[in-house]
Amino acid sequence: DIQMTQSPSTLSASVGDRVTITCRASQSISSWLAWYQQKPGKAPKLLIYKASSLESGVPSRFSGSGSGTEFTLTISSLQPDDFATYYCQQYNSYQWTFGQGTKVEIK
Amino acid sequence: EVQLVESGGGLVQPGGSLRLSCAASGFTFSSYAMHWVRQAPGKGLEYVSAISSNGGSTYYANSVKGRFTISRDNSKNTLYLQMGSLRAEDMAVYYCARSTTVVKDYFDYWGQGTLVTVSS
Repeated sequence: DIQMTQSPSTLSASVGDRVTITCRASQSISSWLAWYQQKPGKAPKLLIYKASSLESGVPSRFSGSGSGTEFTLTISSLQPDDFATYYCQQYNSYQWTFGQGTKVEIK
Repeated sequence: EVQLVESGGGLVQPGGSLRLSCAASGFTFSSYAMHWVRQAPGKGLEYVSAISSNGGSTYYANSVKGRFTISRDNSKNTLYLQMGSLRAEDMAVYYCARSTTVVKDYFDYWGQGTLVTVSS
């Protein structure tokens, strides 16, 4: 199975900060990568697909980049609603796998 | 509005069985692949199983292969997960999610989840 590794596991930041989360795949997945946001007690919400395509309705402060094995999710100016856990997911193979998550906390 | 509503979770003893359902509305269910993803308490997301739009292809995580069966009834707009030989490590919130295709596709809508507790 393709392993997905996110860093950091936890990130402390303030409103207005620029935040970057990294996701690495154990083998090349081209651009078959999605990012999800999850808040406590809620279902995950799709933010980015195909590494850099913004899902409809998602604020433009979210962006994704990368291909192959290294990917990033960037929040250009952190807002109060953005404090949550973020997961990357590869969908290159039939064994879909997720990163372990990055929790974005208030500093 | 796309809606996915899971049901069927509850308390089950180790070794027992349970069937989860996911009722879909607001879209043409028979045109979409469907998935089950779980999340153990305080843990991350784990892919469980997938099924193609017509039910002809199914996929399972190694951790559930041979114990779980995914199916769908397109006439009832409902996805199922039959779970057997349940273990403590199967305890989780189970989410259903959809994708346009089962090949190289992401999950654009998720249900709110149903909790499965495995305990004696």
